Amino acid sequence: DAGVTQSPTHLIKTRGQHVTLRCSPISGHKSVSWYQQVLGQGPQFIFQYYEKEERGRGNFPDRFSARQFPNYSSELNVNALLLGDSALYLCASSRSREASYEQYFGPGTRLTVT
Amino acid sequence: GQQLNQSPQSMFIQEGEDVSMNCTSSSIFNTWLWYKQDPGEGPVLLIALYKAGELTSNGRLTAQFGITRKDSFLNISASIPSDVGIYFCAGQQPFIQGAQKLVFGQGTRLTINP
Repeated sequence: DAGVTQSPTHLIKTRGQHVTLRCSPISGHKSVSWYQQVLGQGPQFIFQYYEKEERGRGNFPDRFSARQFPNYSSELNVNALLLGDSALYLCASSRSREASYEQYFGPGTRLTVT
Repeated sequence: GQQLNQSPQSMFIQEGEDVSMNCTSSSIFNTWLWYKQDPGEGPVLLIALYKAGELTSNGRLTAQFGITRKDSFLNISASIPSDVGIYFCAGQQPFIQGAQKLVFGQGTRLTINP
């Protein structure tokens, strides 16, 4: 079975622009979470989506938004990009939203804001 | 953002040596997970722990869920070159606010001298 897939792999944007990142979960997984990983640190939780609804949000500004589609794929949107938004954006999927299910990560999208 | 205290930050060892790293937190977690991340890739799940005191092995890897639910350790025996990478611990908080949130440590960078 295919793992979590993300697109694009790399992206370069300028300050003030908008970006959309995409994620497809493992087949059968209904929950998608987004994480931001800046260089030298562990990933930070942004959102979790389950059954197309936001189930949790980390400490990120309203410029960050996401949605989940009927096929459980997801998009992360970031508006008014700042230099500090440069990071690896990771998508993780799990079978459900309960804490006992492992989360599996995709390869990430490397976003560079200039 | 919230992070776990993971140590050591880096390790330089000889091939064949055993490795030990640990993670501590001021908060209780219901699940502890250990991931390995290679450069430019997403974290790969190594071991998941679900019960306080649980000891789980995956090949040369052994991990334990601390009895207080506030710590975990990972051991790698007889290290080989492909063990090189960054190891992250992650705690999954109790299922509050409907979110399955992972909190990560800062990572342990493992370097192996042949």
